Amino acid sequence: AQRVTQPEKLLSVFKGAPVELKCNYSYSGSPELFWYVQYSRQRLQLLLRHISRESIKGFTADLNKGETSFHLKKPFAQEEDSAMYYCALRVGSAKTSYDKVIFGPGTSLSVIP
Amino acid sequence: DGGITQSPKYLFRKEGQNVTLSCEQNLNHDAMYWYRQDPGQGLRLIYYSQIVNDFQKGDIAEGYSVSREKKESFPLTVTSAQKNPTAFYLCASTSQVRVDEQFFGPGTRLTVL
Repeated sequence: AQRVTQPEKLLSVFKGAPVELKCNYSYSGSPELFWYVQYSRQRLQLLLRHISRESIKGFTADLNKGETSFHLKKPFAQEEDSAMYYCALRVGSAKTSYDKVIFGPGTSLSVIP
Repeated sequence: DGGITQSPKYLFRKEGQNVTLSCEQNLNHDAMYWYRQDPGQGLRLIYYSQIVNDFQKGDIAEGYSVSREKKESFPLTVTSAQKNPTAFYLCASTSQVRVDEQFFGPGTRLTVL
């Protein structure tokens, strides 16, 4: 079954501390994974994609196929990082050949000043 | 002003009534999606459409219907058959070029009285 799990609903860290938001996935095909972020009063938006191997706003995420994980990390958390974070998995449809994206339940990150 | 819009922002409905949520985009995107966002459950896909006059059921399509008569528009009807319609509804779109990045609307909060 195709699935994305984020074990932490809420995560609080102090400013300047490292932060790691966990994401695990279940998918039989070749996974494409993403992190989306929703800041307060803003729209949900793409933060980063694993295929780009990029660092956005100091965040990085490495795909670990052995552990089926795609954890989001930042070495020093900032107050402006407080937001809702969703891990997402792009999957292909066997019936329609149309791709769709499956989202995890989300983790609310709160950075304490 | 380019983007994806949803209306209304808030919607109230009596039990037994159908209601239609609007989603419009002027990004020239081919694919459009409807998600339902509930606390602790992330985003669940209701319907999606890759081209005009074609759409596919998502994971929770029961009690919903859509149409895609124009590229710019993808309205969602919440019917009286939907048992628990009170939720936040998000519309998204993607281009054929960057199919992995979804652009989201601001959302519509539907409350059934």
